[in-house]
Amino acid sequence: EAGVAQSPRYKIIEKRQSVAFWCNPISGHATLYWYQQILGQGPKLLIQFQNNGVVDDSQLPKDRFSAERLKGVDSTLKIQPAKLEDSAVYLCASSLWGAEAFFGQGTRLTVV
Amino acid sequence: EDQVTQSPEALRLQEGESSSLNCSYTVSGLRGLFWYRQDPGKGPEFLFTLYSAGEEKEKERLKATLTKKESFLHITAPKPEDSATYLCAFLMDSNYQLIWGAGTKLIIKP
Repeated sequence: EAGVAQSPRYKIIEKRQSVAFWCNPISGHATLYWYQQILGQGPKLLIQFQNNGVVDDSQLPKDRFSAERLKGVDSTLKIQPAKLEDSAVYLCASSLWGAEAFFGQGTRLTVV
Repeated sequence: EDQVTQSPEALRLQEGESSSLNCSYTVSGLRGLFWYRQDPGKGPEFLFTLYSAGEEKEKERLKATLTKKESFLHITAPKPEDSATYLCAFLMDSNYQLIWGAGTKLIIKP
């Protein structure tokens, strides 16, 4: 069974630039999560989708971050404009509703 | 406020030295408890799901247990390849959100 696919794996951008991350969840998984993980910390939820509807985006900095999940499958997370403090690993995960989540490899973002 | 606390933050053991990692919680409406392993530069890898107090799950040298207030990940006779950060997360019953701990970094020295 194919796992959660994310791209790119690494990205370096200058502050105030924009960046986008892509995620393809496990087939059949209706729930999709985007997390931000800073070194030494647990994952911080940015947004949770159920199919193509948003379940929780309370911790998403909506002035600069946006996310969408078209047709309830693939998802993109965008940052515009990026700040230095956005440097982190961005993780995508998917699950069946109410079950354990499976993660992709993540995208390591460095903002300089 | 719903909260998850993992301890210790870091643990260094000699190969073969058994120990336990703790995950305590103050969460109302627990649906499930998950344990994950995370290696540097990778996403968390799912290990176990526990749903009710008294439940236990085992996989190789790892055993996870759950009480009404905390969960333990017991590691028996660990090997260097068990070195990783171990994360726990609680699934809320009300909205199926995951509440994460900060993790325990486990280092097994040969």
